[in-house]
Amino acid sequence: RKEVEQDPGPFNVPEGATVAFNCTYSNSASQSFFWYRQDCRKEPKLLMSVYSSGNEDGRFTAQLNRASQYISLLIRDSKLSDSATYLCVVGLNTDKLIFGTGTRLQVFP
Amino acid sequence: DAGVTQSPTHLIKTRGQQVTLRCSPKSGHDTVSWYQQALGQGPQFIFQYYEEEERQRGNFPDRFSGHQFPNYSSELNVNALLLGDSALYLCASSLVGTGGGGNEKLFFGSGTQLSVL
Repeated sequence: RKEVEQDPGPFNVPEGATVAFNCTYSNSASQSFFWYRQDCRKEPKLLMSVYSSGNEDGRFTAQLNRASQYISLLIRDSKLSDSATYLCVVGLNTDKLIFGTGTRLQVFP
Repeated sequence: DAGVTQSPTHLIKTRGQQVTLRCSPKSGHDTVSWYQQALGQGPQFIFQYYEEEERQRGNFPDRFSGHQFPNYSSELNVNALLLGDSALYLCASSLVGTGGGGNEKLFFGSGTQLSVL
C-alpha cells in the first residue's frame, strides 16, 4: 500500500464548478499535512497547510480527518488558472515529506 | 531575496556515467532536501542535509550521495547512471530550529531535468 494515495484523475471541470480531491495516508504517526500545487514541468509550490480544525484560504478549503487518515481539498468557483496537479503531502517528522502521485485538474471554459 | 536555485536546468548523460547536481538554498535557510520526480509521479524523498550531515535518507541506493557545504549549498551525486534515473531532481530548502515541529515550509527550486540515454 502506498504511504499517500490520491486519485490521479484527470478531473475535467467547467469554470465556476466546485471540485473536491481526496487523499488517504497510511502512517497514523504522521504529524504534518499539506497540499502543494504543481504546474506542468515546474516545481511544486505550497498551496496550504492542513489542520484538524479545517482551514480556508479564499476559494480553497482543506480538511483533515485523523481518525480516518483522510485529507481533502475543496476548490470553489474554479478558474482556468486552477488547472494544475495537486499533490497531497504528509510529514512524519521534520525530516522528510511524503508526496502522493498528484491529482490532475483541468478547468475548461 | 533569491529563492532556491539549482543548476544545471537540463542535463543529458549516458548509462554508467556520473552526474553532480547543485543547489543553493533560499537565503536564511539551513537545511536542504533532495527529491526525485519521475514522469507522472510525485516527488520521492532522497535525503536531507543539515549542518553538513545527512540527516535522513529515503529508499535510494548508495549510488545516490550528497554533500552540504558550510554556506548551506548542497550537491547531489549519482554514480553509475541507469536509464531509470531519468527524472526531475528537485532541491528544497527550509529552516530547521533546534526542536523541529513538523511545520517547516519547504521552498523548492525549479529542478534539474536529467535524461539518461
